[in-house]
Amino acid sequence: GEDVEQSLFLSVREGDSSVINCTYTDSSSTYLYWYKQEPGAGLQLLTYIFSNMDMKQDQRLTVLLNKKDKHLSLRIADTQTGDSAIYFCAEMDSSYKLIFGSGTRLLVRP
Amino acid sequence: DAGVIQSPRHEVTEMGQEVTLRCKPISGHNSLFWYRQTMMRGLELLIYFNNNVPIDDSGMPEDRFSAKMPNASFSTLKIQPSEPRDSAVYFCASSTVGLGQLLANYGYTFGSGTRLTVV
Repeated sequence: GEDVEQSLFLSVREGDSSVINCTYTDSSSTYLYWYKQEPGAGLQLLTYIFSNMDMKQDQRLTVLLNKKDKHLSLRIADTQTGDSAIYFCAEMDSSYKLIFGSGTRLLVRP
Repeated sequence: DAGVIQSPRHEVTEMGQEVTLRCKPISGHNSLFWYRQTMMRGLELLIYFNNNVPIDDSGMPEDRFSAKMPNASFSTLKIQPSEPRDSAVYFCASSTVGLGQLLANYGYTFGSGTRLTVV
């Protein structure tokens, strides 16, 4: 079945760039997503990328997709303390269900 | 739009009691999803409705769990009887994606969740 894997934890200093990585298994995924979850809140859609794209940039966020290696990354430029949260990678399967990774907890140190 | 609305936000109940979680999806969305989040298992999809019809309930853990969607604006997830291992945060999400539709870029909109504690 489909599987999405992420590293569990990342710690960066405020002002540095953060890179969160994700691998997925379903080569037929047409869309891939990044969600953010702040403490006590639901998941918030950050950005998505269509599978025929290699890169998507949205302000401080850059998504890179290597479809051959089934590797997705999220880069956050100039990371701020407000970026501390759990970041989930997700792929959409052929029945339009989102399959989530386990989430990467990002800690931004002052 | 108020987003996806879930109630209650917190629920504490005793083992063996019936628990009902409620969800109001975004108006116009035709798909609704129930997820469970725990530290050990992460986010698990429990059940998925499309146009009020259950499409995939393979994630429902046991017969103690049941979900209904009587109309496009309301869904419930019921646990009867509840057990301590059911303690988790339960999320409802809605979307416009569905069978035969190619609107996958919309993703899902999540509610704030119900934190369930069974003691």
